[in-house]
Amino acid sequence: GENVEQHPSTLSVQEGDSAVIKCTYSDSASNYFPWYKQELGKRPQLIIDIRSNVGEKKDQRIAVTLNKTAKHFSLHITETQPEDSAVYFCAGRGGYNKLIFGAGTRLAVHP
Amino acid sequence: GAGVSQSPSNKVTEKGKDVELRCDPISGHTALYWYRQRLGQGLEFLIYFQGNSAPDKSGLPSDRFSAERTGESVSTLTIQRTQQEDSAVYLCASSYGTGAYEQYFGPGTRLTVT
Repeated sequence: GENVEQHPSTLSVQEGDSAVIKCTYSDSASNYFPWYKQELGKRPQLIIDIRSNVGEKKDQRIAVTLNKTAKHFSLHITETQPEDSAVYFCAGRGGYNKLIFGAGTRLAVHP
Repeated sequence: GAGVSQSPSNKVTEKGKDVELRCDPISGHTALYWYRQRLGQGLEFLIYFQGNSAPDKSGLPSDRFSAERTGESVSTLTIQRTQQEDSAVYLCASSYGTGAYEQYFGPGTRLTVT
């Protein structure tokens, strides 16, 4: 079945350091991979996404890379700030365009 | 413009009671999804609507769960004979259509079954 695995489950970094979160997916037909940021008690917010015809995408301090052969994709946050602290979810697009989510990574950025 | 809205924001109910959760998608969005998020966990897909039809109900956990959508707009998720394991945040998302990629989430309904 469709499955997305996400690592690590928790990540603690110092302000200014980089953070990397990795996901693997099982459905080789999946062609869209969004990343969502969820702050405590809030709705998930789309922060960046990548489609399968692209290997890398950047938006200021955030970048996502995709390796279709290995079926994994990663989120990179550079120059982390305390406001980056949140839970981050990766997802892959499944049948009928539903999103299959990873279990989440709790990122803590310490000043 | 207005985003996805959901009501109520919080619902506390007794075990065995029925509950209805409402989702108002972004105007013009034909695709609507329901997800469930248990405490500290990721989002689980429940059901997908395209227009008023539900071609994918594969995520509904049991026959106590049902959903409908009318007027290609509002959707209602109904849970009958609620159980404690139904306690979770129920999130609704909408997107422009079958070819669209981005899904926009509502704030969710936090359901607590006592």
